[in-house]
This record gives sequence, structure tokens and C-alpha cells, in this order.
Amino acid sequence: GAGVSQTPSNKVTEKGKYVELRCDPISGHTALYWYRQSLGQGPEFLIYFQGTGAADDSGLPNDRFFAVRPEGSVSTLKIQRTERGDSAVYLCASNNRGRADTQYFGPGTRLTVL
Amino acid sequence: DQQVKQNSPSLSVQEGRISILNCDYTNSMFDYFLWYKKYPAEGPTFLISISSIKDKNEDGRFTVFLNKSAKHLSLHIVPSQPGDSAVYFCAASGPGSSNTGKLIFGQGTTLQVKP
Repeated sequence: GAGVSQTPSNKVTEKGKYVELRCDPISGHTALYWYRQSLGQGPEFLIYFQGTGAADDSGLPNDRFFAVRPEGSVSTLKIQRTERGDSAVYLCASNNRGRADTQYFGPGTRLTVL
Repeated sequence: DQQVKQNSPSLSVQEGRISILNCDYTNSMFDYFLWYKKYPAEGPTFLISISSIKDKNEDGRFTVFLNKSAKHLSLHIVPSQPGDSAVYFCAASGPGSSNTGKLIFGQGTTLQVKP
């Protein structure tokens, strides 16, 4: 079946602008995760959804970052007043059980803030 | 505070030989460990996992070993193939990380397998 998809694959924006990044998880997966990967580092956890609710948003760096999953499927990561330090690859992953289960990743969105 | 560490940024091996990638962790509450492989411009792909109740898990050419007392795990690839050339990430989760299943990743090791 189809894997996790993310759009856009690349996003270039100017400092101070607002961006939205979209994730389509594997059909039927109830758990959805967002991670951010900076150059030379491993992915860092941002937020976890179980169904429609954000069960853990402890990884969001500040209040400029927000994510939603209104119908328990597609999720959107929203970044306000972007800064150059937000430049990274944003990865989305999903699975069906949450804890202690393999997470399946999408290809990521490369965000560049000029 | 890096809870999962991969201290070797890169590793180069000859085709057909064994590749050994290492990972150390500091949080004794981690109870599930995974290895992911990542090619450029793609997302991480799951490779193999191990629960803390085991000390070894095999899947074809890939074997993961877990040493809980040393807080150390390793991935063995035998025999190594040129297509294995990629960045390998070790990841961990557990009740110590708020029981949500969020993964804590190491920095990655770039493996190059030479023909």
C-alpha cells in the first residue's frame, strides 16, 4: 500500500513568513509523529498525535510552531514568523500502536528560510 | 544532553566483509531500540528492532545486539554490500520518554561499502 507522503518536498521562504507542511500518514494508522532533522544530526521529536489529539507536544521548540490533525488522518505542521534557524528537513512518521512499534517515515519536507 | 550517541560519524568497509555500527544510550528506562537506514533525499527506512527483553535479533544479513548493562547496542551487517551504503541511525524509546513512543535518535553513522 501507499506509504507516508509529505508535501511539498521542498519549501523556500523568507524570514518572517508563515509556512504549512502537510503529512498524509499510512491509511489506518492512528499515531502520527513530526520530527525535525538538522544537517549532520539525527531526527528530533517535535509532536505526537494519537487520533485527533496532540498527546505529546513537548518537542515543539517555541510557540511559533503548531500542528493539527483535525480528522485523525492528515496533519499540518504550521510555522509562524519563520527564522533562518528553522531551516531543516521536517519528517513525518506514522504507526498503528504508538509506543514500542515501528514508525514509518515519509520522505520529508526540506524547508529553507532565507 | 544527548541520550543516544553514535560516536563514529563514518565507517568504510570492503564488500563482503562485516560492518559493525555502534550506539550507546544513557537512559536506562529505554526499552525498545530500532535501527533505520537513510539514503539522501529520502526518509529513514526501518531496518531492524529489538526489545529490551532480548539481547539479539536477526533478520537476514542484519543482526542487532543489545547489552543492557553497558547501555550499548550494535548493528552487524554480514556480508556487506555496496547497496548498504547509507546513513544509519540508532533510535530508542521507552516509558522514560513519556510513554508516547517518541523516538530519540543518535546522530547517525555514514556507512560506505566499497566494491
